Amino acid sequence: AQSVTQLDSHVSVSEGTPVLLRCNYSSSYSPSLFWYVQHPNKGLQLLLKYTSAATLVKGINGFEAEFKKSETSFHLTKPSAHMSDAAEYFCVVSTGFQKLVFGTGTRLLVSP
Amino acid sequence: ETGVTQTPRHLVMGMTNKKSLKCEQHLGHNAMYWYKQSAKKPLELMFVYSLEERVENNSVPSRFSPECPNSSHLFLHLHTLQPEDSALYLCASSQARGTYNEQFFGPGTRLTVL
Repeated sequence: AQSVTQLDSHVSVSEGTPVLLRCNYSSSYSPSLFWYVQHPNKGLQLLLKYTSAATLVKGINGFEAEFKKSETSFHLTKPSAHMSDAAEYFCVVSTGFQKLVFGTGTRLLVSP
Repeated sequence: ETGVTQTPRHLVMGMTNKKSLKCEQHLGHNAMYWYKQSAKKPLELMFVYSLEERVENNSVPSRFSPECPNSSHLFLHLHTLQPEDSALYLCASSQARGTYNEQFFGPGTRLTVL
């Protein structure tokens, strides 16, 4: 069965410093992986997706993620955090049957 | 209107009330989903409709009743709910035959059951 594990429930960074949100996946076949972001009182917005093309995926708002099969990881990064990046981030794997399996989320806190 | 819209955005109801949540997608998709988001729990898939047929019912109690009259609209009918049903209910849509199953989400309805 497909699953994802988000290794940190909370990550705190200072504005202007790099962001790293960690995600490991488990899948019996080549997975489709996504990162979604949820700002307070808002729905989920797709940041980026991996679909077995390039292993380094660029998304919106300067975020990117690298698919590493050997490490079964799909970590989300951004070179320089902005205050507006404060939100909850979800790593997601697709089962291929119209079902998404969500991680438990990582809350990103950005301080001035 | 663009994307996925949900109404109402907030709902407070008693345990004996009957209410409905509405979702509408303007993306030309043909699959729609209901999710429940509770504090400190992963997002839970409740129902999936593909081409207007229910294809998934994730062991959801019968006090939640979905309806999909066409590919653009999805309802969640609520009756005799419990306080533990208080949560954010999210609607999403996608292409039913999409290779990568990318889903687009609405802003959610914040439900409080008293």
